[in-house]
Order: sequence, then C-alpha cells, then structure tokens
Amino acid sequence: GENVEQHPSTLSVQEGDSAVIKCTYSDSASNYFPWYKQELGKGPQLIIDIRSNVGEKKDQRIAVTLNKTAKHFSLHITETQPEDSAVYFCAASQVESARQLTFGSGTQLTVLP
Amino acid sequence: DGGITQSPKYLFRKEGQNVTLSCEQNLNHDAMYWYRQDPGQGLRLIYYSQIVNDFQKGDIAEGYSVSREKKESFPLTVTSAQKNPTAFYLCASSLGRHNEQFFGPGTRLTVL
Repeated sequence: GENVEQHPSTLSVQEGDSAVIKCTYSDSASNYFPWYKQELGKGPQLIIDIRSNVGEKKDQRIAVTLNKTAKHFSLHITETQPEDSAVYFCAASQVESARQLTFGSGTQLTVLP
Repeated sequence: DGGITQSPKYLFRKEGQNVTLSCEQNLNHDAMYWYRQDPGQGLRLIYYSQIVNDFQKGDIAEGYSVSREKKESFPLTVTSAQKNPTAFYLCASSLGRHNEQFFGPGTRLTVL
C-alpha cells in the first residue's frame, strides 16, 4: 500500500518569511496530492491540491510542487502570517481508486509575530 | 448551510462500554469516511462507504463497526473490543470517485 512521509514535524518561522513542508510517497501509481490545514480542535480543510499531470500549482500565497520521478511533493507558503499557524497534512491517492487518501503525519507550523 | 456535522464534540465513556459517534452530511455526497487521529500522527482510516448499504474496512477497523442505512448518515460504533479507543475521531465525505474530502469538526472520545 501507499506510505507517505512528511517533514519536518514542527516548523517555526518569523512572520513574513516563507515556509516549506515536504512529503515523499511510495506508490508510483498515486496521482492526486492534496494538502490540508487543521486548526486546533477542528477538522482538516483542503487548501490546495495537485494532480500528476502538472508540476506546480499556485493559489495566492500558497503553492505546491510535484516531482513524480523522485516521488516527492512540497507545500510552499510565502509571506507567512500568524493565522497560517496550524497543523498541515499532505496526502496521496489514486484518483481512479475507490479507496481513499493516505496521510502524512503532519507538520505543526508556528508563525512568530 | 451545507456541511458535515459530528456530535457530540466531547464524549466520555467508561471502559467496556460501546459508544456510537454521529456523522451527518447534507452535501449529497455518496462517499463517507471515518478517520482516527492520535497526537503526532496522521489520520488513519477506520471505515469508508462509497454508497448506501455498502462499506469497507480501512487500515484500523478492528474494534469498530459502522452502518450506512441513509446517504446522509454514517455512524461509527466504538466497541469494547477496541483496545485503545481514546482519540480524536474525524468523519469526512466526498462526491463519489472524487477524492476531495470534506471533514467534519471531529469528536474527542475519552474512555475512562
């Protein structure tokens, strides 16, 4: 089955700096890679996703890059703000599969004012 | 407002008791999922259902049971056979074969 590893487990950055979170996956058949943000005491919310037919996707301050050859993908947050502080999860799956996502172990991002 | 609701937010039970967690969605989604979240770990799949009256075991189904009698409801029962039931439980739903999953707010279960 799929295995997703996520690094780092904790990340602290100064407000305005950039943050990068990296994930690797094991199943070369995976072709859908979402990122979720989870605030304290709440359920995760999808913030951006990428499919294997593209190498990069951007949405305002958030971007995701995918390297299918190396089987890794990354989340980039620029101009970080205190409200970006949360736990971020990466995940991987096959779009055609009736099954579901395999999640990474999460990254606690803290943006220091 | 469309969304997923889970109740209650906090639940306490004595060891040896079965407990049922509620999950309701009004998004008209076919697929629903239950995950367990433990500190420092990612979400682990317990059960999922692609359609009414059908469900499949996930990675950690032992000690849990589910039913899917209605499209909008997917309750999870934590049985006394679950050795370590204290955790944060998350329900999610998605449109059929799409993998964009929408999560509920979660239920924190504590077994005393």
